This record gives sequence, C-alpha cells and structure tokens, in this order.
Amino acid sequence: GIQVEQSPPDLILQEGANSTLRCNFSDSVNNLQWFHQNPWGQLINLFYIPSGTKQNGRLSATTVATERYSLLYISSSQTTDSGVYFCAVHDFGNEKLTFGTGTRLTIIP
Amino acid sequence: NAGVTQTPKFQVLKTGQSMTLQCAQDMNHEYMSWYRQDPGMGLRLIHYSVGAGITDQGEVPNGYNVSRSTTEDFPLRLLSAAPSQTSVYFCASGSTRGQGVDGYTFGSGTRLTVV
Repeated sequence: GIQVEQSPPDLILQEGANSTLRCNFSDSVNNLQWFHQNPWGQLINLFYIPSGTKQNGRLSATTVATERYSLLYISSSQTTDSGVYFCAVHDFGNEKLTFGTGTRLTIIP
Repeated sequence: NAGVTQTPKFQVLKTGQSMTLQCAQDMNHEYMSWYRQDPGMGLRLIHYSVGAGITDQGEVPNGYNVSRSTTEDFPLRLLSAAPSQTSVYFCASGSTRGQGVDGYTFGSGTRLTVV
C-alpha cells in the first residue's frame, strides 16, 4: 500500500508565528487531503488538494504530485490552530484512506 | 447542509451488549466508511461501502456488521461488545468520480467504552 510520512512530528510555536508542515507519499496519487484533528478529537477537512495550490484564510496548501509531496502553510498562528495535522490519500488498492504519521502542533500564547 | 452526522457522541456498554452507531450524510456521497481510532494505532478502516447495497470489509472488521440500504445511511453494529472495542469511531463519506474520491468528510465521532 501507499506509505505516507509527515514532518516534523512535533512543533511548538509562539502565537503569531508561521509554520510549514510537510507530507511525503510513496506513490503517485490524485486525491491528497489535509485534516486537522482538534483537541476535542474532531477531524476537520482543511483541503482536498490533488495538485496545485489552494488558500483558505491563514492556511494554504501546495501539492506537487510529480515529486510526491505536499506542504501545508499556517501563517500568524493562533492557539485554536493547536492539534494534530494529518495528510491522507485514498489507496484504491485496499479502498481505505491512508493517513500520514501526523504533526502535533502546539501554539503557546 | 449538515454534512456527516454521527450518533451517539458517547456510549458506555457492558461486555456482551449490542448496539448500533448511526451515520447519516446529506451530500449524496456514494462512498461511506467507518474507522476506529486508538492511541498509537492511528485510524483503521472497519467497513466501507461504495454505494447502496454494496459493503465490504476493511482492516479490522471482526465483531462489526454494516448495511447500506440507502445512499444516506451507513449504520455500524456491534453484535456482542468486548473491551477491545473501546475506541473512538468515525464515520466518513466521499464522492467517487473516476479514480478520485473527491475529498472525505468525517463525522464528529463516537467515543465508546466497553466495561
């Protein structure tokens, strides 16, 4: 199956800082997504981004499918950005969403 | 537009009891699935469905049943609860267009404890 790795595993930042999270995947995919799991456990869909760049407020994402990576940018971090960020791809070999290892982001006031 | 609705949010069961976790979506998505999330294990696929009347097993199907009689609903049944089924359960849905599942939407989760 597809392997998905994320870096860094943990990130602690002051409020207002910017950050870049990386997602590498082992095979060509056309359905990469980014999720935020907040401290209450909810999984929030941030971006569906098989290729190119998208922006939503302070968040943006870029996927370069030919080089098998995606980046999530968070600008002007707020404490509500804390949680775990996952990238994921749908693996049609076994019909499941394969999640990356996650990046735990902690924003300090 | 409610998205994916899961009920209940919390549940405590005794070993051997049965229950059904409900999942409904209003986005006309063909694809629906159930995951469980356990510390250190990530999210694992239990069962999935690619359309009404079609279901299949995921990675960890034992002890669970599903059915898909309508496009909107995809209930998960625990036949005889065991402590190993203590977990957080998520329902997810997505459209299917050719090769791509056009983005998943997750429900808010059900925290289940089996004592």
